Amino acid sequence: GAVVSQHPSRVICKSGTSVKIECRSLDFQATTMFWYRQFPKQSLMLMATSNEGSKATYEQGVEKDKFLINHASLTLSTLTVTSAHPEDSSFYICSASGTGLPYTSTDTQYFGPGTRLTVL
Amino acid sequence: LAKTTQPISMDSYEGQEVNITCSHNNIATNDYITWYQQFPSQGPRFIIQGYKTKVTNEVASLFIPADRKSSTLSLPRVSLSDTAVYYCLVKYSGTYKYIFGTGTRLKVLA
Repeated sequence: GAVVSQHPSRVICKSGTSVKIECRSLDFQATTMFWYRQFPKQSLMLMATSNEGSKATYEQGVEKDKFLINHASLTLSTLTVTSAHPEDSSFYICSASGTGLPYTSTDTQYFGPGTRLTVL
Repeated sequence: LAKTTQPISMDSYEGQEVNITCSHNNIATNDYITWYQQFPSQGPRFIIQGYKTKVTNEVASLFIPADRKSSTLSLPRVSLSDTAVYYCLVKYSGTYKYIFGTGTRLKVLA
């Protein structure tokens, strides 16, 4: 149980293009989804939190017009990096928490495998 | 200022018990402390979660003192495959923000 998938696992794009990353909860209803960013040898930094059907809440310093987050259903959230630049290259990881999972609290976050974005 | 600190790295030998501590001041009163394992280029994997005292599952134990200002992940009899980075994750009171610990890089030696 508690499986979260991400697609794509790896993407390389040219500077100025937009990239969409999908995050899906496969066997539970994700009432809340989180998007993190991780640079090499660093901890995960929370970018934004989204609840199904609501606008995402962005952390300080994260540009909401650059990192568009949509959480349209209880199993799917998307992160779109608009007009990507080389400094946006990073490892992006989503997580989900929700209902229908045994033995843990509804706040427990389960993570996807991550997406490696490289902007040339 | 919310800070969640862990030792940067630890080395251990196969078969030993490893204890990794996370210091977290001023965490939310009614929230859990969660520990994750992360391998290179992968997402964090859930290990264990607790609220107070001691929790044990098939892979680890978690010790949380009464003041909840720290927690200790205990890995019994580690093997080479336990070489990874271990993170604690807590929610802070006031801001109710989730903050990952700085991460502990565990290296298990043969």
